[in-house]
Amino acid sequence: AQRVTQPEKLLSVFKGAPVELKCNYSYSGSPELFWYVQYSRQRLQLLLRHISRESIKGFTADLNKGETSFHLKKPFAQEEDSAMYYCALRTGGGNKLTFGTGTQLKVEL
Amino acid sequence: GAVVSQHPSRVICKSGTSVKIECRSLDFQATTMFWYRQFPKQSLMLMATSNEGSKATYEQGVEKDKFLINHASLTLSTLTVTSAHPEDSSFYICSARATTSGGGYNEQFFGPGTRLTVL
Repeated sequence: AQRVTQPEKLLSVFKGAPVELKCNYSYSGSPELFWYVQYSRQRLQLLLRHISRESIKGFTADLNKGETSFHLKKPFAQEEDSAMYYCALRTGGGNKLTFGTGTQLKVEL
Repeated sequence: GAVVSQHPSRVICKSGTSVKIECRSLDFQATTMFWYRQFPKQSLMLMATSNEGSKATYEQGVEKDKFLINHASLTLSTLTVTSAHPEDSSFYICSARATTSGGGYNEQFFGPGTRLTVL
């Protein structure tokens, strides 16, 4: 069965410091990985997906099939980045998503 | 962007009663909607996939007679928690996938969630 692991429940960094939110997955097929973000008192929204290979709000994530990882990175954290981040895996031909447990990112001044 | 609403945002009910939660796609048609459940400080767990005009597909371990799902139109899906008990207290979130032609991934848009408390 598929599984997504986010080892850190809370990550606290100072403004301007680099950020890396870890995500590992297990899936026997060809995975599609996503990062979702939930800002305080707001709904869950898509941040980026590995297929797009894009940078959103300064965040990037590279799918590493060898290490089965999809870590989210940003070189310089901003205060507005403080939020809950969920890594998600889409499996099969449908649109079912398996979510990790989430990492709360706190950017301190 | 696409907007998904949920109603009510918060509900408190007595044990043994039934509660209906609505999920609406406001500016797009959604062939498929998903219902998730989230316990405090835990991840979203998919409960069921709701397809317009057909029966919902439930995930393993989810009681279909307990959590009734109806997707009667392309913009509305409802989740009814029947004979609710305190252990059903949770945060229920729906998402909707836009209807488009072709294959590939169509983004899921999430509702704001409904907080259910069963006394």
